[in-house]
Amino acid sequence: DAGVIQSPRHEVTEMGQEVTLRCKPISGHDYLFWYRQTMMRGLELLIYFNNNVPIDDSGMPEDRFSAKMPNASFSTLKIQPSEPRDSAVYFCASSFSPGAGVAFGSGTRLTVV
Amino acid sequence: EDKVVQSPLSLVVHEGDTVTLNCSYEVTNFRSLLWYKQEKKAPTFLFMLTSSGIEKKSGRLSSILDKKELSSILNITATQTGDSAIYLCAVGENNAGNMLTFGGGTRLMVKP
Repeated sequence: DAGVIQSPRHEVTEMGQEVTLRCKPISGHDYLFWYRQTMMRGLELLIYFNNNVPIDDSGMPEDRFSAKMPNASFSTLKIQPSEPRDSAVYFCASSFSPGAGVAFGSGTRLTVV
Repeated sequence: EDKVVQSPLSLVVHEGDTVTLNCSYEVTNFRSLLWYKQEKKAPTFLFMLTSSGIEKKSGRLSSILDKKELSSILNITATQTGDSAIYLCAVGENNAGNMLTFGGGTRLMVKP
């Protein structure tokens, strides 16, 4: 298995632009997570899905952030409009059952200028 | 409030030293505690602990959970420069699906 696949690896965009981050979880994993990592706040959970359904989005910072999971093999995290303070590394992760270790993707490094 | 707290925040040691990293947690319905190592990329899984007092070992790394003290330690013996990384502790709760709450991490630097 190729693991959790994220794209793009790096994204540089101007303030106000829309940004879409993509994730393909490991096949068979029912849980999908989006995390954001910054130096100041560490690793924060933004939202997670179970069987494609969003379960907890309380970590989503603002209405500018939205996430979808149209099927079991694909999820997106969208920021519209983007702001410089959104600059961070965004990780997608997946897991197949409660209690199992979570596998992380390589992350997307987002820079908003 | 901080649910998962790691200490120290950072640590600098020399090759061959032994280090102990700490993680304490405060959750209502504990299920598991996990340790991850993060170098320049994504965190990689090290251990998952669910039972108190049972040590898990992998080479020079070992970890144990103390449910009474609501804490866990990660030991690294005979450290090497390749052990330099951020070590993350995360706690999973029974009422939160598979959601993990991460601590802030301990940044370990091993000097030659």
